[in-house]
Amino acid sequence: DTGVSQDPRHKITKRGQNVTFRCDPISEHNRLYWYRQTLGQGPEFLTYFQNEAQLEKSRLLSDRFSAERPKGSFSTLEIQRTEQGDSAMYLCASSSQQDSLSYNEQFFGPGTRLTVL
Amino acid sequence: LAKTTQPISMDSYEGQEVNITCSHNNIATNDYITWYQQFPSQGPRFIIQGYKTKVTNEVASLFIPADRKSSTLSLPRVSLSDTAVYYCLVGEDSSYKLIFGSGTRLLVRP
Repeated sequence: DTGVSQDPRHKITKRGQNVTFRCDPISEHNRLYWYRQTLGQGPEFLTYFQNEAQLEKSRLLSDRFSAERPKGSFSTLEIQRTEQGDSAMYLCASSSQQDSLSYNEQFFGPGTRLTVL
Repeated sequence: LAKTTQPISMDSYEGQEVNITCSHNNIATNDYITWYQQFPSQGPRFIIQGYKTKVTNEVASLFIPADRKSSTLSLPRVSLSDTAVYYCLVGEDSSYKLIFGSGTRLLVRP
């Protein structure tokens, strides 16, 4: 257990439905990341928050995807009008902004596995 | 961002030393080399990071030659629980964005 939790762990939905995932990072971490991982591939970066500010979004994140971190603590990732191609593991990670001499290690949660039927 | 190349899979037996080599020919001066481990149905976990020469911690060693165009992750005396996917990443130490390749699937047999 890394201290990063994600909910739900599994989600099955029908194509066209909206889904929302939640991530609770390690409490003192100000940086939060979302990644997506499909079978046999490494995780792909989706978006990054520093505190409540969303500083970068990948081109992989279409308009159907939105992420928030309203109070700089937990984050939500919403997918609207899901498609079968959205089926994947959605991983959340967090880290703390440290000085330049230490590594910005990211701590990953267990992921939410989404299946779109 | 430098691209990395590593073997798709490796097999080993319990108690053996395992060396996984990663190629990163276009590594930049400011880039560090980082390895993550991922078990099935879990998120990746940081193993080790280095810039040059050799780095050792309680779970692994990382060997980086002078030209830094490759690196080798060494796992001493592997056990069944070391069966996992190992990812080699290259990027600036301050980078917030981890770029994962496909990784190396290590299978440790009894």
